[in-house]
Order: sequence, then structure tokens, then C-alpha cells
Amino acid sequence: GAVVSQHPSWVICKSGTSVKIECRSLDFQATTMFWYRQFPKQSLMLMATSNEGSKATYEQGVEKDKFLINHASLTLSTLTVTSAHPEDSSFYICSASLPGQSYQPQHFGDGTRLSIL
Amino acid sequence: QQQVKQSPQSLIVQKGGISIINCAYENTAFDYFPWYQQFPGKGPALLIAIRPDVSEKKEGRFTISFNKSAKQFSLHIMDSQPGDSATYFCAASQGGASGSRLTFGEGTQLTVNP
Repeated sequence: GAVVSQHPSWVICKSGTSVKIECRSLDFQATTMFWYRQFPKQSLMLMATSNEGSKATYEQGVEKDKFLINHASLTLSTLTVTSAHPEDSSFYICSASLPGQSYQPQHFGDGTRLSIL
Repeated sequence: QQQVKQSPQSLIVQKGGISIINCAYENTAFDYFPWYQQFPGKGPALLIAIRPDVSEKKEGRFTISFNKSAKQFSLHIMDSQPGDSATYFCAASQGGASGSRLTFGEGTQLTVNP
């Protein structure tokens, strides 16, 4: 149980385009999902907390107009990187935990490798 | 206050040996401490987690030791295998709140030689 799926797993696109990444909880409903960014050989950096039916909460230094998050249903959150540039190239990972229960681990998707040419 | 310090940055162990990774935290509000294993190109996968009401938790070859007074916790991998070669992250959160955010350590790249 508690499977989180991300799509696509890898995307390459030209500078200036927008890219949408999907994060789905396959066997549970997730009121809260998290989006992370990870550079090679570094730790996960929390970008934002995605709450179903409300605006996302962004971490300090993360441009909310650059990284648009939509959590329109209890099983789907999307991250759109707008007007992507080479410096946005990174590994993006989402996570979710079982709702309404304390001391539950976050379950992670397999990540999306974004390469901007 | 929100940091979790992890060491060593990298670790090389012979097959069958014990791998030990240490973490220290500052925020006394943290009350949930999971460890994650990450293979290249994959997302982190939960290994084992502990709450501070116990000093040790064991699951198979993986053991977490927890020292609340020192605000430190560690992961021990017994009988390390080449398949354990991965990056390991400790983390901490205020786990009592549903959907609470994780603070990650810097990661340890473990290599187990055959």
C-alpha cells in the first residue's frame, strides 16, 4: 500500500517552454503532498507543500510564479515549471503520507528528471 | 534549529561488515525519525523509523539507535551486502501532526565492496 506515482520519469525540453509533472497517490487519498528538488549528490530540498483544495505553501526562496502547484483532487498534484531554463534542470520528487494519521512516513514517487536544453 | 546533521558523507564497507551512519538534530520538537534509502534515479524509500519513546528499533538487518538526551540517532546495517550500496538519508519531523514536513540530513553514500 501507499504507492506514489510520478509522470513523466524523464523529460527533455527546450529553454522557455513549460513542463508539467504529475504526482498521484495510487491507493490512498492524500490531502497533503510535498514537492522536492534534488541536485546530483545532494539532499532533498523541500520546495512546497501542496494542499488539496487550497493554495500551496512555498518554502523561502522558491518562486511561486515559476513553480506552479495545483492539487485539484485527493489523488493528484501537479508541478508546472514555467518558462524553464537550464538552471531549472534537476530531479523533482513528490511525496505523500496517509491522511488523518500521526507518525506516518512520507512515501515518495520515483522522481522526474528534468533536462532543459 | 531546523537542521539535521548527518555523517559520514561517504562510507565504504566490506561485505558482511557493519555500516554505521550518524545523525544529530537541534529542534527538540522533532518526534519522528525515519531513515530513507535512495538508489540512483529513484525516489527515496522508507527503511525504518523510530519515535523517541524507545531507544532502539530493529527490523531485519537494520537497527536505529536513539539517544534523546544527546539528540542523536544512528542507523546500523548489519551483514552489509553489495545490494545495500545506495545513498541513505536520515530525517526528522514533528510526526504527531498529520502531513508534517520532513527535514533531511545531507545524505551518506554507502558502498559495500564484494
